Amino acid sequence: GENVEQHPSTLSVQEGDSAVIKCTYSDSASNYFPWYKQELGKRPQLIIDIRSNVGEKKDQRIAVTLNKTAKHFSLHITETQPEDSAVYFCAAIVSGGYNKLIFGAGTRLAVHP
Amino acid sequence: DAGITQSPRHKVTETGTPVTLRCHQTENHRYMYWYRQDPGHGLRLIHYSYGVKDTDKGEVSDGYSVSRSKTEDFLLTLESATSSQTSVYFCAISAGTVRHEQFFGPGTRLTVL
Repeated sequence: GENVEQHPSTLSVQEGDSAVIKCTYSDSASNYFPWYKQELGKRPQLIIDIRSNVGEKKDQRIAVTLNKTAKHFSLHITETQPEDSAVYFCAAIVSGGYNKLIFGAGTRLAVHP
Repeated sequence: DAGITQSPRHKVTETGTPVTLRCHQTENHRYMYWYRQDPGHGLRLIHYSYGVKDTDKGEVSDGYSVSRSKTEDFLLTLESATSSQTSVYFCAISAGTVRHEQFFGPGTRLTVL
């Protein structure tokens, strides 16, 4: 079945550094890739997404890149701040309708002051 | 937070008892989903609905059933709870096939003793 792999599982950076989280997916027909941020005890929150007709999308300090040939997409956070500390999940839509998502296992990001 | 509520927010129950979790939305979205979240597994789809009385299984549906008798409500039932069903359960909604975004409810923490 469809699968999304996410790396690394944990990431520790100093405030102001950049952080990169990488995901690969198996369904070559997938065309929508969201990223969620989940703070401790909270619900996952959609922070950015990308569709297969673009290669990159930016929103202030976060950006997502997509390489459809390699079936690979990444989240980039620049100028990290302590409030960026959270668990980040990537996901890929399952082709065939119904907007079903397959999620990666998550990356725990710690930003140290 | 996208007009999604879940009830109860916390529940402790014993093995073998039936449990029903409720998801309620005020957005009139067509698609609704139930996920479970466990450490190291990200979010895994249990069941989903694509309309009133239209439901289907996700990747981890064994031991769970769902019902959707109204657009706004999606119920998840554990017929006979087991300790392996101890988890955090999230409901999510999505508008349709053009807009793929999924938005999550606040979650229900279920403990089966």
